[in-house]
Amino acid sequence: QSALTQPASVSGSPGQSITISCTGTSSDVGSYNLVSWYQQHPGKAPKLMIYEDTKRPSGVSNRFSGSKSGNTASLTISGLQAEDEADYYCCSYAGSSTWVFGGGTKLTVL
Amino acid sequence: QVQLQESGPGLVKPSQTLSLTCTVSGGSITSGSYYWSWIRQPAGKGLEWIGRIYTSGSTNYNPSLKSRVTISVDTSKNQFSLKLSSVTAADTAVYYCARANGFYFDYWGQGTLVTVSS
Repeated sequence: QSALTQPASVSGSPGQSITISCTGTSSDVGSYNLVSWYQQHPGKAPKLMIYEDTKRPSGVSNRFSGSKSGNTASLTISGLQAEDEADYYCCSYAGSSTWVFGGGTKLTVL
Repeated sequence: QVQLQESGPGLVKPSQTLSLTCTVSGGSITSGSYYWSWIRQPAGKGLEWIGRIYTSGSTNYNPSLKSRVTISVDTSKNQFSLKLSSVTAADTAVYYCARANGFYFDYWGQGTLVTVSS
């Protein structure tokens, strides 16, 4: 059970769109529609942003969207805002009642 | 609104057992079909799922930690707990408790830093 692969960092200017990828295997990301995404500001607990690949919890901005193709899931943030600057983590169900997280991506809003 | 709060020693000696408790407020730990999880994050690193428990006592653990982890629940106190034995410096991390709603984690505690050092 290896960690999911995310880019270490991404950046974008206010108003732009960015996409963060999350690559797993056919045993986790590719097998289930159960990828979730979390936003974490420094010193804070993670916050659920996307669940079950594409669903957005109540209260989360519709600027956040999730998608998946094969073994790679993606989080897209449109209309970047300063407050979106944070670390983002993907997580996938990995079968046998276990979960695996990605290494995290630092988003910088230029 | 469900709230979770971790508590326990912030310093543990190598080879000893790390013990943390998560207190759930704003609702009964037995209401709904939720699992209760522990997740940790070493400084500057990513998140790692440790394990989960249902209020029946049923547990699941990360295979890489399974031999050292025990998660238990005390429904009378609305709490669940983590024990991690034979700790080393590699177990130094911020430990979070979280509610597992199906296959995702929707409520998290603020986290507690546990340092393993003599």
